[in-house]
Amino acid sequence: SQKIEQNSEALNIQEGKTATLTCNYTNYSPAYLQWYRQDPGRGPVFLLLIRENEKEKRKERLKVTFDTTLKQSLFHITASQPADSATYLCALAKDYGQNFVFGPGTRLSVLP
Amino acid sequence: DTAVSQTPKYLVTQMGNDKSIKCEQNLGHDTMYWYKQDSKKFLKIMFSYNNKELIINETVPNRFSPKSPDKAHLNLHINSLELGDSAVYFCASSQDGRSETQYFGPGTRLLVL
Repeated sequence: SQKIEQNSEALNIQEGKTATLTCNYTNYSPAYLQWYRQDPGRGPVFLLLIRENEKEKRKERLKVTFDTTLKQSLFHITASQPADSATYLCALAKDYGQNFVFGPGTRLSVLP
Repeated sequence: DTAVSQTPKYLVTQMGNDKSIKCEQNLGHDTMYWYKQDSKKFLKIMFSYNNKELIINETVPNRFSPKSPDKAHLNLHINSLELGDSAVYFCASSQDGRSETQYFGPGTRLLVL
């Protein structure tokens, strides 16, 4: 069956370091993949999208990679700040126009 | 201005009751969605809907039904509530059904006693 896993339920890092979150999937061939941020008591907020033919996408301190061979996406936050503390969700879609399937999320805590 | 809004924010009710959650988007989007986020934080799509097509996740019980009075609104009706329906329900919208970005509402926390 199709499965999406995110590396760990929780990740703690020191302020200023680079946070790396992982999204792995099995029995799935997504056309594209998104990353969302969710703060407690709020809805997810879209951050980045990467397509299957793209290796890497950047936006300010954020970087996403997409390796269709490894069936994995990495989400990096450089120079992390306490304000980056949140749950980060990956979401995959099989094709343009198809509904997204979300991973369980990783709760990131950036410690001052 | 809130892009996607939901009411109520909290809903506590008894088993067996029927309840509705309202959703409105002021983004001019054509497609709206309902998601359920359970206690383990998994976010699962329930419905996607535009003027032309309702797509239902096959795992959703038929006690759940979306109702769209117009393009800007997609309400969720739940009949005969069960304990397992307790979760956070999120409404979302996108420009169209083929859009890449979804905008989520703040969520409605439903507790069934």
